[in-house]
Amino acid sequence: DIQMTQSPSSLSASVGDRVTITCRASQTIRSYLNWYQQKPGKAPKLLIYAASSLESGVPSRFSGSESGTDFTLTISSLQPEDFATYSCQQSYSSPYTFGQGTKVDIK
Amino acid sequence: QITLTESGPTVVKPTQTLTLTCTFSGFSLSYSGVGVGWIRQPPGKALEWLALIYWDDDKRYSPSLKTRLTITKDTSKNQVVLTVTNMDPVDTATYYCAHSRYGDYYFDFWGPGTPVTVSS
Repeated sequence: DIQMTQSPSSLSASVGDRVTITCRASQTIRSYLNWYQQKPGKAPKLLIYAASSLESGVPSRFSGSESGTDFTLTISSLQPEDFATYSCQQSYSSPYTFGQGTKVDIK
Repeated sequence: QITLTESGPTVVKPTQTLTLTCTFSGFSLSYSGVGVGWIRQPPGKALEWLALIYWDDDKRYSPSLKTRLTITKDTSKNQVVLTVTNMDPVDTATYYCAHSRYGDYYFDFWGPGTPVTVSS
């Protein structure tokens, strides 16, 4: 199985901050990397697919990038509704594993 | 508009078999390229990918759970069923079903999830 390692596991930030979350794959996954946002008691929501493609309806402050087996989710200016847990998922090879999640809370 | 809803027991006893049903609308599993998957999340823990079934009955399973999982589809009822045998307390989780597309493999529409507790 491909292992997905996210960092940090949690972070505290303020409204308006630029936030960066990283996901590292244990082997090449090309650009088959997706990001989800999950709020407490709710199902995950797809934010970004194929490393950098924004899902329809997702605000443009969310962006994704890649460098080899390292992938980054950036929130350019954190908004109150962005406090949540973010998870990456590789869709290159079955089983399509998830990272352990990064919780973003209020500083 | 695509929607999915999970249903099944909220409590099962250890060693029992769990059967969960995902009922969906807004798409058909007879359409080429369409898939439905199952993902679970233990309380306070990470998402875990379990299984996926496609329109052509291609099935994918998590290797670590493969011997205990079975995924099937009923195209006429717009349903996908996941069975998990020999349930254990570590299988306590919220179970989600979600829509996917062959070749993309990400999940773009999710059900609200159904909580399952394994306890005697």
